[in-house]
Amino acid sequence: AQSVTQLGSHVSVSEGALVLLRCNYSSSVPPYLFWYVQYPNQGLQLLLKYTTGATLVKGINGFEAEFKKSETSFHLTKPSAHMSDAAEYFCAVIPPGSQGNLIFGKGTKLSVKP
Amino acid sequence: GAGVSQSPSNKVTEKGKDVELRCDPISGHTALYWYRQSLGQGLEFLIYFQGNSAPDKSGLPSDRFSAERTGGSVSTLTIQRTQQEDSAVYLCASSLGLDADTQYFGPGTRLTVL
Repeated sequence: AQSVTQLGSHVSVSEGALVLLRCNYSSSVPPYLFWYVQYPNQGLQLLLKYTTGATLVKGINGFEAEFKKSETSFHLTKPSAHMSDAAEYFCAVIPPGSQGNLIFGKGTKLSVKP
Repeated sequence: GAGVSQSPSNKVTEKGKDVELRCDPISGHTALYWYRQSLGQGLEFLIYFQGNSAPDKSGLPSDRFSAERTGGSVSTLTIQRTQQEDSAVYLCASSLGLDADTQYFGPGTRLTVL
């Protein structure tokens, strides 16, 4: 079965530092790939997604992610962290041939230190 | 425009009681998804609807869980004879269609079973 692994349940960075959140998927056939963000007591908001085409995907709030088929990875980055980026981030996939239900990783909680 | 709404936002119930959770999707979205978010299991897919039809119910954790959607719009998730392990946040999402269309999430219903 398809699975999603997010390395690091907690990541802490200083304001202005690089943010790197890691995500790997398990299937040999690339799925559709997503990053969602969840602020406290709120629902999930889409940051970006990869379906086809250019492997570097830009999203909202200055985030981007690169699909690397050879590494089965879809890591999320932001060059300079802001205090408002503190939230929980979820990587998710839609397996090939499925009807659209998302399979989520366990999430990474990002803390930003002043 | 209006996003996905869910009601109630919080529900506290006693073990053994039935509960109904409601989801109002974005107008015009034909696909609707239910997910559950709990500390132990993370984010899990429960069921999806295309129109009023739910082709795949395999994600429902037990036969105490059921869902329906009427008029291609509002959906209700019903949990019968609630158990403490049902305590979680239940999230609803809607999208224009299936496959990789962006899913827009509601704020969730926090269910606590005493």
